[in-house]
Amino acid sequence: DTEVTQTPKHLVMGMTNKKSLKCEQHMGHRAMYWYKQKAKKPPELMFVYSYEKLSINESVPSRFSPECPNSSLLNLHLHALQPEDSALYLCASSQTSGRGRTDTQYFGPGTRLTVL
Amino acid sequence: DQQVKQNSPSLSVQEGRISILNCDYTNSMFDYFLWYKKYPAEGPTFLISISSIKDKNEDGRFTVFLNKSAKHLSLHIVPSQPGDSAVYFCAARRGSGSARQLTFGSGTQLTVLP
Repeated sequence: DTEVTQTPKHLVMGMTNKKSLKCEQHMGHRAMYWYKQKAKKPPELMFVYSYEKLSINESVPSRFSPECPNSSLLNLHLHALQPEDSALYLCASSQTSGRGRTDTQYFGPGTRLTVL
Repeated sequence: DQQVKQNSPSLSVQEGRISILNCDYTNSMFDYFLWYKKYPAEGPTFLISISSIKDKNEDGRFTVFLNKSAKHLSLHIVPSQPGDSAVYFCAARRGSGSARQLTFGSGTQLTVLP
C-alpha cells in the first residue's frame, strides 16, 4: 500500500480566509513533504518534515504555515493568501531509515486551491 | 539555475512502438534518480528509479538508463500503450540525513497514438 490521501480535493478561498489542507499516510513513513505545482510546471518543494520536525523550509512566505501533529498527519495552514498562490498543492511521504528505494517519495492526489 | 532538464516538452509515439524520454542534470551530488508519471489533476505516481551507482534498471515495460559521465538519463517504454499518455517527470535526489530533497525536471507530455 503506497497511499497518501489529501483533503479537500478542491478549495476556493478569499484572500482574508483561513483554511487548512490535510495529508495522511499510514505507511510508517517518517518524512513528509509539501509541494506546490503551477500549471505546466514541475512540483516545487515547500517544506520537509522529518520525524515530525520541520527540517527544510524553502523560503516559503509566512502565510503558509505547516504543522505535523503526528507521524501520520501533515497539515498546511493558509492565511491571507494571494491569487498567485492558486495552484495544486501536493503532499508526499517517504521512509527515512535507509538509502535507495526506501527513500522514494509517494505523492497524494493533491488539493486544487483557488484564491479569489 | 535549472539543475534537472527535460528538453522535450512533448513526444508523440505510435502504439506498440518505443517511447524514449530524456533527462539531463548538472549537479554531481545527485545520488538517486526517479521517474514519475502524472495525469491531469492527480499527484505524480512513482514509476521507476535508479541509483547513481548503476547504469540500468528494468521493471516490466519500463527501463531507465543512466549515463553518469554525460549526466544523462532516459526512460524507455516498450511497447507503448495509449494508457501511457501522461506527463513524465524526471527527478533527482540529493541531500543527507533522513529527509532528502527531490528536484524535478519540467516534464515531457507523452502522447501514445492508437
